[in-house]
Amino acid sequence: ETGVTQSPTHLIKTRGQQVTLRCSSQSGHNTVSWYQQALGQGPQFIFQYYREEENGRGNFPPRFSGLQFPNYSSELNVNALELDDSALYLCASSRGLAGRDEQFFGPGTRLTVL
Amino acid sequence: EDQVTQSPEALRLQEGESSSLNCSYTVSGLRGLFWYRQDPGKGPEFLFTLYSAGEEKEKERLKATLTKKESFLHITAPKPEDSATYLCAVQAHGGSQGNLIFGKGTKLSVKP
Repeated sequence: ETGVTQSPTHLIKTRGQQVTLRCSSQSGHNTVSWYQQALGQGPQFIFQYYREEENGRGNFPPRFSGLQFPNYSSELNVNALELDDSALYLCASSRGLAGRDEQFFGPGTRLTVL
Repeated sequence: EDQVTQSPEALRLQEGESSSLNCSYTVSGLRGLFWYRQDPGKGPEFLFTLYSAGEEKEKERLKATLTKKESFLHITAPKPEDSATYLCAVQAHGGSQGNLIFGKGTKLSVKP
């Protein structure tokens, strides 16, 4: 069984640029959630995708957007990068709408904005 | 406002010295409480899900318990490889599906 994978591992961008992060869900999972984890903090929910539709969003501005593809992989796009966007971005997959299903996390993408 | 508070922020133990980590939560209606382990620079690793007060789950040296206001992660005779940050998260009724609300974690160090 293949776990959740994310790419790239690390990324360095400058303020104002745009970035795309990618996630492949675990085999058999059709739901993907994205989280932002600042240093020393717990992960914060950005949004969730279920069957290619956004299904819930946290307190993040519209410049954070996403996509889910028919194979359930997903992208997180961030426009107009700000210094505070520097963080570990985590993708988690689950079997359903994560009502009571465990979410399994990928290794994360470390984004640094200079 | 739904909230999760973990204590202590950091805990240093000698190998074999048992202890407990606390997770206090305030939530409008609890759907589930989750414990994760996170190693530096890596994604959280799932440990347990608890759904109702009185429920307990065990895995090797770890045991998680749940009351109406808090959860404990008991570590019995820890080993150095148990060193990690332990994260607690809750999922609330009526919240965005998939929205896990995390605490800041407890950083556990176990010295040989």
